[in-house]
Amino acid sequence: GAVVSQHPSWVICKSGTSVKIECRSLDFQATTMFWYRQFPKQSLMLMATSNEGSKATYEQGVEKDKFLINHASLTLSTLTVTSAHPEDSSFYICSARDLNPLETFFGQGTRLTVV
Amino acid sequence: KNQVEQSPQSLIILEGKNCTLQCNYTVSPFSNLRWYKQDTGRGPVSLTIMTFSENTKSNGRYTATLDADTKQSSLHITASQLSDSASYICVVSGPLRGNNRLAFGKGNQVVVIP
Repeated sequence: GAVVSQHPSWVICKSGTSVKIECRSLDFQATTMFWYRQFPKQSLMLMATSNEGSKATYEQGVEKDKFLINHASLTLSTLTVTSAHPEDSSFYICSARDLNPLETFFGQGTRLTVV
Repeated sequence: KNQVEQSPQSLIILEGKNCTLQCNYTVSPFSNLRWYKQDTGRGPVSLTIMTFSENTKSNGRYTATLDADTKQSSLHITASQLSDSASYICVVSGPLRGNNRLAFGKGNQVVVIP
């Protein structure tokens, strides 16, 4: 089946630095990818919808300058957490939608810890 | 109020026993309902996907049911194994706010003990 690869699976960074997370669809093209944040024992919270070749659509309350999204190709979307702070520590998950057949696949997730 | 409610929030079962997880949703109109398994620290992995015309779908020891009239779904795990310990997430797709967004439940946390 289709696979979505997310990298890195975990990262520790210093407060104030930026971290980039990659999301790749390995055997299908995804014009739309999604970025989620998940807190312990909570459901996935949609942060933004990444559209290939155009600007991302951010959910209410999500700072677009804080969480930069780039979807430069049909198989790659990146999320950059800029000037990270400890409160940005979380589990970030991406997903991509395969249109034929219609199915959504999730990446493995990235555990971000800001110290 | 969340559009997808799951119960029980958590449960502990003995290895080899069966269990049933519940999902109630209010998403309407409805496109499809999916069950995912999420291991700790990992992304969700699809178990089943059902459209409104499907009543049941199986994937190995996992059997999902759907009643689109009452907006209820269940996931039955047969002969549980230790590796079934995970969070099971019910996800409903529908034209929410004009987009085909996914509505997520908080998950059923299952712990299988020997």
